[in-house]
Amino acid sequence: GESVGLHLPTLSVQEGDNSIINCAYSNSASDYFIWYKQESGKGPQFIIDIRSNMDKRQGQRVTVLLNKTVKHLSLQIAATQPGDSAVYFCAEKFSGTYKYIFGTGTRLKVLA
Amino acid sequence: EPEVTQTPSHQVTQMGQEVILRCVPISNHLYFYWYRQILGQKVEFLVSFYNNEISEKSEIFDDQFSVERPDGSNFTLKIRSTKLEDSAMYFCASSVGLADNEQFFGPGTRLTVL
Repeated sequence: GESVGLHLPTLSVQEGDNSIINCAYSNSASDYFIWYKQESGKGPQFIIDIRSNMDKRQGQRVTVLLNKTVKHLSLQIAATQPGDSAVYFCAEKFSGTYKYIFGTGTRLKVLA
Repeated sequence: EPEVTQTPSHQVTQMGQEVILRCVPISNHLYFYWYRQILGQKVEFLVSFYNNEISEKSEIFDDQFSVERPDGSNFTLKIRSTKLEDSAMYFCASSVGLADNEQFFGPGTRLTVL
């Protein structure tokens, strides 16, 4: 069936560097996408979202890019900090539904 | 800051027993969700709930599962006859508006079925 997948299970970056986490989605009918951060022992935490009629959205230190042509979503974290260490999930929502499909997650490790 | 709360944090049960997982969504939120996450796997959607009705459910949410909002604050997930494969983290979430509004997740309940 349709699914969201992540290219890299683990990403290690130096503190202060920029991080880029990627996500591939397969459902062209998805109209809304979210990036979540999940720290150990906690529930997913909303980071940033983007609708399918946009290709870029910026938040505080984070940017989400959406490329519908190749069904690709990325999360850019500027000046990565130790507190950014977590697992990051992307999720997509199928148009006309209230259902979210989550990716498998990428673990981000920030090296001091 | 308002948050979603869940109880218990950890539930251990015998196979075949019924369990009820409880959630208190954020007070002004209207949409409620349950998700599960089997250890090491991705978060999976179970069900969404609005206006005292199920809006959508996944293929995981079979007849063994039910949800209820028994009063103005609690939102519960019941599993009637637990199976070993029901062992997972169960997350409740709530949002103000429709599905493309930010969902706030609770800390989860770890369900262990023996």
